[in-house]
Amino acid sequence: GAVVSQHPSWVICKSGTSVKIECRSLDFQATTMFWYRQFPKQSLMLMATSNEGSKATYEQGVEKDKFLINHASLTLSTLTVTSAHPEDSSFYICSARERDTEAFFGQGTRLTVV
Amino acid sequence: GQNIDQPTEMTATEGAIVQINCTYQTSGFNGLFWYQQHAGEAPTFLSYNVLDGLEEKGRFSSFLSRSKGYSYLLLKELQMKDSASYLCAVMDSNYQLIWGAGTKLIIKP
Repeated sequence: GAVVSQHPSWVICKSGTSVKIECRSLDFQATTMFWYRQFPKQSLMLMATSNEGSKATYEQGVEKDKFLINHASLTLSTLTVTSAHPEDSSFYICSARERDTEAFFGQGTRLTVV
Repeated sequence: GQNIDQPTEMTATEGAIVQINCTYQTSGFNGLFWYQQHAGEAPTFLSYNVLDGLEEKGRFSSFLSRSKGYSYLLLKELQMKDSASYLCAVMDSNYQLIWGAGTKLIIKP
């Protein structure tokens, strides 16, 4: 299947700082990218959907000013967690698809805010 | 509302066969996906069904009945490494993925 590379795999940051997570589609053009978070033992929760060149559409309850999403090219989307707090510690996963095909997932990023 | 139902947990024996069911009610249908997720890792794609019937891929098969809003994932010749969560997801009329909560599969020797 297609490859989606997410970086970093894990990150520890201090409370109040910002963290940027990158999601790249390596061998296809990702017209749509999705960002999810997952708390332990829970299902994936969609945070936002972004289409290349457009503003991201955030799910209800997700703060767009806190979770900044940029999808500036067909191969790269970034999620920036601004002013991170311990409650933002979670597993963040991106997925990407080309038009209406199946979505492929990145490896995920485990964020720990201390 | 939109709803995906699958069992929370299942247990099976190494070498045996297990069937994980998924029922759905969504606004429109553009395909059903099965993903496997090991603890602490991102989900990996297993199968995609958009037409009724059985899709076989090695030890894994996936079945879909659109009229019944029903799918199952069949795992044969179970191996210990198959212990994972299995996620059912439906793509609705807006091409958004609606996720089930996942089925934790425990394989015993």
